[in-house]
Amino acid sequence: AQSVTQPDARVTVSEGASLQLRCKYSYSATPYLFWYVQYPRQGLQMLLKYYSGDPVVQGVNGFEAEFSKSDSSFHLRKASVHWSDSAVYFCAVSGGYKVVFGSGTRLLVSP
Amino acid sequence: NSKVIQTPRYLVKGQGQKAKMRCIPEKGHPVVFWYQQNKNNEFKFLINFQNQEVLQQIDMTEKRFSAECPSNSPCSLEIQSSEAGDSALYLCASSLSNTGQLYFGEGSKLTVL
Repeated sequence: AQSVTQPDARVTVSEGASLQLRCKYSYSATPYLFWYVQYPRQGLQMLLKYYSGDPVVQGVNGFEAEFSKSDSSFHLRKASVHWSDSAVYFCAVSGGYKVVFGSGTRLLVSP
Repeated sequence: NSKVIQTPRYLVKGQGQKAKMRCIPEKGHPVVFWYQQNKNNEFKFLINFQNQEVLQQIDMTEKRFSAECPSNSPCSLEIQSSEAGDSALYLCASSLSNTGQLYFGEGSKLTVL
């Protein structure tokens, strides 16, 4: 069975600073990996996905993530955050028709 | 803007009452998921469908929860007898395939008094 760990429940960064949100996964086969974002009072939106190939994948709004098989990780990065990036970010792993989400990291961007 | 439509956005029920939520998946998406998201943002998978057939469901869904995705009608999730612990955001998501790329609705927030 797959599982996802997001070790940081809350991250605070200054506007314009770089960001890394951590995600570790557990899955016996090659996983499909995702990052989703949830803005207040809105549904989740997918930021990016990894299926295979280049371990660095680009997403929307300047986000990227890097897959590491050796480390079982899929960390999310952004070079320069904006106040509008404040939201809850979820890492997810998919195997077959089962999609498992991490517990989320709440990102607060301070002015 | 979500193309998965969930109604109602909010519902308030007393303990023991029925609570019913509906979901219209994105057009052409044969796979539908229901998740329960608690106040700590934790997701609990409830059930998923491919077309009208149940793919997987958890024990909780088999007892007080029922769900269906009839053809040409919205999918629905119903709690037969609400309990305080059912208070949560219920999220519906649809997908084209089994790759895990989900398209979410905005959710139905259930409060059980």
